[in-house]
Amino acid sequence: NAGVTQTPKFQVLKTGQSMTLQCAQDMNHNSMYWYRQDPGMGLRLIYYSASEGTTDKGEVPNGYNVSRLNKREFSLRLESAAPSQTSVYFCASSELRQGNNSPLHFGNGTRLTVT
Amino acid sequence: TQLLEQSPQFLSIQEGENLTVYCNSSSVFSSLQWYRQEPGEGPVLLVTVVTGGEVKKLKRLTFQFGDARKDSSLHITAAQPGDTGLYLCAGAPKAAGNKLTFGGGTRVLVKP
Repeated sequence: NAGVTQTPKFQVLKTGQSMTLQCAQDMNHNSMYWYRQDPGMGLRLIYYSASEGTTDKGEVPNGYNVSRLNKREFSLRLESAAPSQTSVYFCASSELRQGNNSPLHFGNGTRLTVT
Repeated sequence: TQLLEQSPQFLSIQEGENLTVYCNSSSVFSSLQWYRQEPGEGPVLLVTVVTGGEVKKLKRLTFQFGDARKDSSLHITAAQPGDTGLYLCAGAPKAAGNKLTFGGGTRVLVKP
């Protein structure tokens, strides 16, 4: 099984450009998440989708939008990239929603640089 | 200030030595998870601790959940270079609506 697949692996954007990060999981999980990881800050939740058809803001949602396209796919869009959005982005999925001890399964990340 | 504070932030030891990583909070957690992340990859779950005072062992790794369910520790015995990585604790505090929160991570380097 591929697990959680993220594309692209690397991306460089200029300030103001837009892009969409793609994520797909093949484990039939109900919940999906987008995190960003910055040095010394751990992982911070941007948005999550507890189930198909629902999305909710996490800790740091400003400047991002998401779409839960179907049960497998959850995309993250940056409408107008800013240097503060330079980070490594991780998509994750879990069988159950957060708080139910359900482990998160992560993709290998997208390293984004905004100049 | 993060809800989950990990210490130390960085640890460099020689192969064969022991190490302990701490995860502390002022909040009560229903459970805590520990993940390990290697360069260029996403975090991978090591263990989930659920009961206050619980101790779980995974080969040379020992995980403990505090009696009050506010803290946890990870102890590695006779560390090996393969233990090198970023260790992250994560928990869903009741005070935050059970949304999973990660600590800042402890970067461990085991030198041969």
